[in-house]
Amino acid sequence: QKEVEQNSGPLSVPEGAIASLNCTYSDRVSQSFFWYRQYSGKSPELIMSIYSNGDKEDGRFTAQLNKASQYVSLLIRDSQPSDSATYLCAVRTSSASKIIFGSGTRLSIRP
Amino acid sequence: SQTIHQWPATLVQPVGSPLSLECTVEGTSNPNLYWYRQAAGRGLQLLFYSVGIGQISSEVPQNLSASRPQDRQFILSSKKLLLSDSGFYLCAWRMKGDRGGSPLHFGNGTRLTVT
Repeated sequence: QKEVEQNSGPLSVPEGAIASLNCTYSDRVSQSFFWYRQYSGKSPELIMSIYSNGDKEDGRFTAQLNKASQYVSLLIRDSQPSDSATYLCAVRTSSASKIIFGSGTRLSIRP
Repeated sequence: SQTIHQWPATLVQPVGSPLSLECTVEGTSNPNLYWYRQAAGRGLQLLFYSVGIGQISSEVPQNLSASRPQDRQFILSSKKLLLSDSGFYLCAWRMKGDRGGSPLHFGNGTRLTVT
């Protein structure tokens, strides 16, 4: 079982709709979770961090964490063509300094 | 503010040649430092991380090595490159403390092609 799993996509969403990206992790004691966006050929950039169960909102982005289910998600409201990118889920494991990434979900917003 | 510098941006090296990639961080002290590799169309694979000078944790056995000779300098090396070493190499830093919740901040990456 991979430590962090994501559906590779591609996920195609019409412009203006909600995009939903999902991630599961295997280390039950993981405490910190991150979503990164990566455009082709560029380095990842941080979108959001989440540490507590529930929802965390920042503009059009909402991260959701459910530690009991070992599940974290990212919702993008009012999707724009500029949101087309690969979204990477990252988890800080019980080994406090290690941060492990999923393989990423490719998101395409169609006009 | 903190910045991270990584060079070179691109590199083409023949099989069997040595490698040295360097990363430096400015504007912070005693950071955790990381090297990741991303193969084409894939996710980020953690290669090495360091919590202090001379302290290196290796995640994947391979022909690469890392060193941290100074607090804000992280170097990735190889004595003999393999074709499979091709990829996008990313250096990153994060603050200690904050109960481990601080995120990674990435450099611009080095695209390595081994021919």
